[in-house]
Amino acid sequence: KQEVTQIPAALSVPEGENLVLNCSFTDSAIYNLQWFRQDPGKGLTSLLLIQSSQREQTSGRLNASLDKSSGRSTLYIAASQPGDSATYLCAVAAGGGNKLTFGTGTQLKVEL
Amino acid sequence: GAVVSQHPSWVICKSGTSVKIECRSLDFQATTMFWYRQFPKQSLMLMATSNEGSKATYEQGVEKDKFLINHASLTLSTLTVTSAHPEDSSFYICSARGGYQETQYFGPGTRLLVL
Repeated sequence: KQEVTQIPAALSVPEGENLVLNCSFTDSAIYNLQWFRQDPGKGLTSLLLIQSSQREQTSGRLNASLDKSSGRSTLYIAASQPGDSATYLCAVAAGGGNKLTFGTGTQLKVEL
Repeated sequence: GAVVSQHPSWVICKSGTSVKIECRSLDFQATTMFWYRQFPKQSLMLMATSNEGSKATYEQGVEKDKFLINHASLTLSTLTVTSAHPEDSSFYICSARGGYQETQYFGPGTRLLVL
């Protein structure tokens, strides 16, 4: 059974700081890995999707890497802003991308 | 990008009543839709996978008679919580799979409170 863990569970940083969120998964036979953002009481916004054959994806200030063999992914956020405050979830897909297993989330707060 | 809507966005009901939640893909056809449940401070847990025109596949531990799923068209799936109890209070999120790379697009969620 796939298990996905995210560290840290919560993080508070000053504005402008670069930061790294970590995601680890137990079964390396994944189809893809996705990072999401969730604002309080809201649904999910997809940030980046990395196919199993890829090593990283970039979008603006966000960069996600994938090391399938070690079961790890990182989400790098450059020059953090208060608007980045949210919960960040990683999810791995197996079996043709059908079933997503979500991590426990990292609650990020970027302070002025 | 692809948009998925849910209705209602939140609902309060009495214990013992049934509640129906709709999930629609607005600008694409989704052969597969997924229903998740999220308890406070916890991550999303997949409840079931529904394919258009066929019975839903439920995850272990999810009662199919309690959580009725209907996927009657390529743009609509419904989740009915039957005889709801306070422990069913949760945030229910659907997703629809389609588009580029068969990505899952998530709805905004429905908050259910059972009194």
